[in-house]
Amino acid sequence: DGGITQSPKYLFRKEGQNVTLSCEQNLNHDAMYWYRQDPGQGLRLIYYSQIVNDFQKGDIAEGYSVSREKKESFPLTVTSAQKNPTAFYLCASKTEVPLTDTQYFGPGTRLTVL
Amino acid sequence: AQSVSQHNHHVILSEAASLELGCNYSYGGTVNLFWYVQYPGQHLQLLLKYFSGDPLVKGIKGFEAEFIKSKFSFNLRKPSVQWSDTAEYFCAVNPLLPSGTYKYIFGTGTRLKVLA
Repeated sequence: DGGITQSPKYLFRKEGQNVTLSCEQNLNHDAMYWYRQDPGQGLRLIYYSQIVNDFQKGDIAEGYSVSREKKESFPLTVTSAQKNPTAFYLCASKTEVPLTDTQYFGPGTRLTVL
Repeated sequence: AQSVSQHNHHVILSEAASLELGCNYSYGGTVNLFWYVQYPGQHLQLLLKYFSGDPLVKGIKGFEAEFIKSKFSFNLRKPSVQWSDTAEYFCAVNPLLPSGTYKYIFGTGTRLKVLA
């Protein structure tokens, strides 16, 4: 079964703790993305990676970090520096050939910081 | 800066009513256009997309969208909605930037509720 998996589905953390969200894909896609979805604000890009060992900041990267050590994996760490971390986080991937191809999304992780 | 506007945040319709959701974008260059749908508890999935050619694009589940370049619009339509169309709909554009790369920009979404 090909697709994108995100774990866990729900995550609770105390304020001040770092937390890492998992994203794995077996679609052999080169590019991977992290978005944050808040009610009434749509999807906002946090980070993206077009190739292994390289990634770029999106529009709201402050307080987040990522790594891309393997093609299949693109974990997102929400650090204590992120002021409003409670949100729904979506991971996506796509091929780079062609550049215009569609993004495919994972099921998301809902993070609640208490 | 590039942006996408979805003017209707919440829409409530009765079954069999016609649907039109507005989407406008601000970018003067080459763009690719998408509509995504998020059913309750499900993944965000592609409804339809426009890259080039016929500006009237047909997607899954009877949806269609028309690209009007002069109006920077890509409105989503369905002649007769069903209860199962209850979902959140996102318009997205993928402009070709001067750097030669593409960047996805999403609208804020429209929540559609269809009453049985």
